[in-house]
Amino acid sequence: TQLLEQSPQFLSIQEGENLTVYCNSSSVFSSLQWYRQEPGEGPVLLVTVVTGGEVKKLKRLTFQFGDARKDSSLHITAAQPGDTGLYLCAGEVNYGGATNKLIFGTGTLLAVQP
Amino acid sequence: ETGVTQTPRHLVMGMTNKKSLKCEQHLGHNAMYWYKQSAKKPLELMFVYNFKEQTENNSVPSRFSPECPNSSHLFLHLHTLQPEDSALYLCASSQATDDGYGYTFGSGTRLTVV
Repeated sequence: TQLLEQSPQFLSIQEGENLTVYCNSSSVFSSLQWYRQEPGEGPVLLVTVVTGGEVKKLKRLTFQFGDARKDSSLHITAAQPGDTGLYLCAGEVNYGGATNKLIFGTGTLLAVQP
Repeated sequence: ETGVTQTPRHLVMGMTNKKSLKCEQHLGHNAMYWYKQSAKKPLELMFVYNFKEQTENNSVPSRFSPECPNSSHLFLHLHTLQPEDSALYLCASSQATDDGYGYTFGSGTRLTVV
């Protein structure tokens, strides 16, 4: 059974601080996706990383996929209150041409105080 | 309207009731998914449909019955639920076999079983 552990589970920081969220697994994934979910809404895709070692930047957010494609990190620079939300990593599993499916991580709840 | 639409947004039902959740996508995707999101648990994949064919039933109790009449619509029929089935039920769509293709989620149905 694939399992994705995220750390930390909860994070409360002040506006302007930097933070890193980690997503770890013992399984290899064909891609690793990051989502943000706000209260009362569904998760929204932030980024997909596919190649081991890949780094993607989205404004103040930097995403990295581990070389072995088992882990990932999300770094936020100069956090803002609008970054508040539940951050979810998700590993993609592909059974040789069949429908892909996503296995979600345990989530990191981020609160950025003004 | 674009994206993934779920109705109703909120549902309260008794344990002897029968109700249905509806999901509709206007993105031209060929795969649709039902996920369950409970407090303090990762998103749990329930059902996967690819081109209207169910490709996965993730050991879900028979009191949950999915239906996919076409690639744009997905239903989840509920009957004789238990209080522990109270959760946020999320529908998502994607392109089934494209690696790295993210999911688009609906806003979810908040279900309370009394």
